[in-house]
Amino acid sequence: DQQVKQNSPSLSVQEGRISILNCDYTNSMFDYFLWYKKYPAEGPTFLISISSIKDKNEDGRFTVFLNKSAKHLSLHIVPSQPGDSAVYFCAASAYGNKLVFGAGTILRVKS
Amino acid sequence: NAGVTQTPKFRVLKTGQSMTLLCAQDMNHEYMYWYRQDPGMGLRLIHYSVGEGTTAKGEVPDGYNVSRLKKQNFLLGLESAAPSQTSVYFCGVLPTQGANTGELFFGEGSRLTVL
Repeated sequence: DQQVKQNSPSLSVQEGRISILNCDYTNSMFDYFLWYKKYPAEGPTFLISISSIKDKNEDGRFTVFLNKSAKHLSLHIVPSQPGDSAVYFCAASAYGNKLVFGAGTILRVKS
Repeated sequence: NAGVTQTPKFRVLKTGQSMTLLCAQDMNHEYMYWYRQDPGMGLRLIHYSVGEGTTAKGEVPDGYNVSRLKKQNFLLGLESAAPSQTSVYFCGVLPTQGANTGELFFGEGSRLTVL
């Protein structure tokens, strides 16, 4: 039973355009959502997060949107850069408890 | 990933052999986690610890044991390795100030192959 789902295994975007990565969840107890970025042969690194009491959080080129009624969140990267090419994991937690991860989306930004 | 060190980084085992992965942190945090990453499945929680001397099961604990004898170290053991345990293992540490968010710092990973 996957509580966090990333239905797109991969995404290819042209440099300078917007990248939109999507994530769906099923557990209504989740109150915090995070995006992690992972390069090959490295550990995941935290990118951006959002609390369930908000619907948007921005950090530079990265924006996360949360739609609680649809149990859906998305990560927007604008403008996309070749260095953004990586695997992006969506994750969620309930009351600071264990993180539950999605399967990941491979983003390729073409120059 | 500074502050979270995993050893070894690579290991090849034969079926039935045993081994231990070590996660060491220099940040004095309470919460530590072991995840495994497999293609198409993301990161799945194996075991975790909320403090020295305590451990708990995660989503996929079978075939693994853990110990947290010292606060800085979290050990993951495979008593009798199986090919299904071929994976990349990540240790995560939860900073105290992030206790309400689940924001983890991860080590660089340990790639284990069981033949």
